[in-house]
Amino acid sequence: GESVGLHLPTLSVQEGDNSIINCAYSNSASDYFIWYKQESGKGPQFIIDIRSNMDKRQGQRVTVLLNKTVKHLSLQIAATQPGDSAVYFCAENWAGGSYIPTFGRGTSLIVHP
Amino acid sequence: DTAVSQTPKYLVTQMGNDKSIKCEQNLGHDTMYWYKQDSKKFLKIMFSYNNKELIINETVPNRFSPKSPDKAHLNLHINSLELGDSAVYFCASSQEISGRAGNEQFFGPGTRLTVL
Repeated sequence: GESVGLHLPTLSVQEGDNSIINCAYSNSASDYFIWYKQESGKGPQFIIDIRSNMDKRQGQRVTVLLNKTVKHLSLQIAATQPGDSAVYFCAENWAGGSYIPTFGRGTSLIVHP
Repeated sequence: DTAVSQTPKYLVTQMGNDKSIKCEQNLGHDTMYWYKQDSKKFLKIMFSYNNKELIINETVPNRFSPKSPDKAHLNLHINSLELGDSAVYFCASSQEISGRAGNEQFFGPGTRLTVL
């Protein structure tokens, strides 16, 4: 399944499927990006980050892809599990000048058993 | 051990009242933040303090006043509460203010404020 964070705020997938959550960022000067996961009733929690000098970074079951040309980030979750159900945010910032963390709209991922 | 803690978790109050939310972090971080999350989950930064100094103030009404008595604490005081202030408020901290890699934020559990 695939979702654009700003236009399709909810993504429903079956357990075991791969999920792709997309995010369009606004500042071409941003050079550091973070994905956060927010479970119901909790604060956002760091998942994975990527610097602008990379286009891909892998973690455990998660991969972040960065396309600076079109200012686009994606978070891929392999073999999605019910515990992955949450709202996912991308955040951008830049190292030059003031650092103002800017969060994307958020995408709700619902995993059906 | 709770890294970033907030009190209270729930706050229900009448319009016009003054209330405070407290935040503490035990991570030894230099930078702390306050965010407001609306009913549609949109997360917007309000303030940022670095070593007790105000760094970011994002067009927040002056009814909101952050106070940082020391590096580990950033409290939020709200005067003359309005209906539109109802939201979940999150405190967060990070090692430093910069956008350096590895400088992710650690969030508290949130305070759900309901103004009646």
